[in-house]
Amino acid sequence: DADVTQTPRNRITKTGKRIMLECSQTKGHDRMYWYRQDPGLGLRLIYYSFDVKDINKGEISDGYSVSRQAQAKFSLSLESAIPNQTALYFCATSEVGTGWQETQYFGPGTRLLVL
Amino acid sequence: ILNVEQSPQSLHVQEGDSTNFTCSFPSSNFYALHWYRWETAKSPEALFVMTLNGDEKKKGRISATLNTKEGYSYLYIKGSQPEDSATYLCAFSVRGGNKLTFGTGTQLKVEL
Repeated sequence: DADVTQTPRNRITKTGKRIMLECSQTKGHDRMYWYRQDPGLGLRLIYYSFDVKDINKGEISDGYSVSRQAQAKFSLSLESAIPNQTALYFCATSEVGTGWQETQYFGPGTRLLVL
Repeated sequence: ILNVEQSPQSLHVQEGDSTNFTCSFPSSNFYALHWYRWETAKSPEALFVMTLNGDEKKKGRISATLNTKEGYSYLYIKGSQPEDSATYLCAFSVRGGNKLTFGTGTQLKVEL
């Protein structure tokens, strides 16, 4: 079984709809991350959480919110989806460490299309 | 703005060829450099994390070097196989920073 799972794997939604992408992990890691990947761009950080009570904005958090329901679960919400949020979304986890040198373990991605 | 550049963007090689690609990053306040391997429709998979100037890491036929003073890392694949076909991503972090900055990747295709 995969250590980091994401649901759904594919989603088509309409402009203005609220949607939630979910991430679960069995690695026992405290740190979790949400990234988006767009063609021609590197992975960009949306939000990250270093433990259940810690939530931090990444470089492109506008239009997104997150919830860390438990150590193993980290959800990403699009409150009102817009077409330029069409992208491939990755969840990742890592152990506690320093200075972003910890290996990150990625889920399989959720491909989102906003019409 | 801290940017990382990877070259080439894509590469086609024959089975058995050895190949290498480059990741360039700002050298000031460097903290860590990551390499990931990303096969289509799969999760990016960590290859190496390097932190010290002159670091060399090896995993099977894949190895990487790091030069933090001039701001580059090389990834080498010896004797490429079709299963090496993937996009190779690098990412770096700076001291006191709050993210990994990813490059756009080098897409490698190994043909029989």
